[in-house]
Amino acid sequence: AQSVTQLGSHVSVSEGALVLLRCNYSSSVPPYLFWYVQYPNQGLQLLLKYTSAATLVKGINGFEAEFKKSETSFHLTKPSAHMSDAAEYFCAVTRKTSYDKVIFGPGTSLSVIP
Amino acid sequence: DGGITQSPKYLFRKEGQNVTLSCEQNLNHDAMYWYRQDPGQGLRLIYYSQIVNDFQKGDIAEGYSVSREKKESFPLTVTSAQKNPTAFYLCASRKTGRTGELFFGEGSRLTVL
Repeated sequence: AQSVTQLGSHVSVSEGALVLLRCNYSSSVPPYLFWYVQYPNQGLQLLLKYTSAATLVKGINGFEAEFKKSETSFHLTKPSAHMSDAAEYFCAVTRKTSYDKVIFGPGTSLSVIP
Repeated sequence: DGGITQSPKYLFRKEGQNVTLSCEQNLNHDAMYWYRQDPGQGLRLIYYSQIVNDFQKGDIAEGYSVSREKKESFPLTVTSAQKNPTAFYLCASRKTGRTGELFFGEGSRLTVL
């Protein structure tokens, strides 16, 4: 069975500081991995996705993530936090061999302190 | 512009009443999904459909029902059998293909009084 864990339900960073949001997955088969962002009372939008083309994936708004198979991780980073980055972030996984289901992690709420 | 439209955005209902949430997409996507979101629990899959007239239960289907009579539409009914229906409901669609990401609507917030 697939599962996704996100370490830290809430993360606070200062404006201009590094953002690091952690995601670990469990999958018996090679996965596709996604990061989504959600602003209050809105739907989710895609930040970036890993589909095995490259282990370092760049997304929108300056975010990037690195797929590390040995660590079963897909952590999200941004070199310098901006106030507009404050939101809820979700890591998600789907299986390459059966791509109908998409499983989400519990989410990490990011606060940016001015 | 293409997208997913959910309605209503806010809905109140009394206990024992059924309620139907609408989801319409004009992205020409084959697959559609319903998720439930509760604080601290992420998104949990209720139902999904990959083609018209076919759908599968997700992880928390009890107390919910769906239909898929048209490619564009995937309404969700929250029945009186759902014990704790107050939540934020999100509809999504997905382009056919293994790497296709989900496109989400703006969500519907249901409150049971």
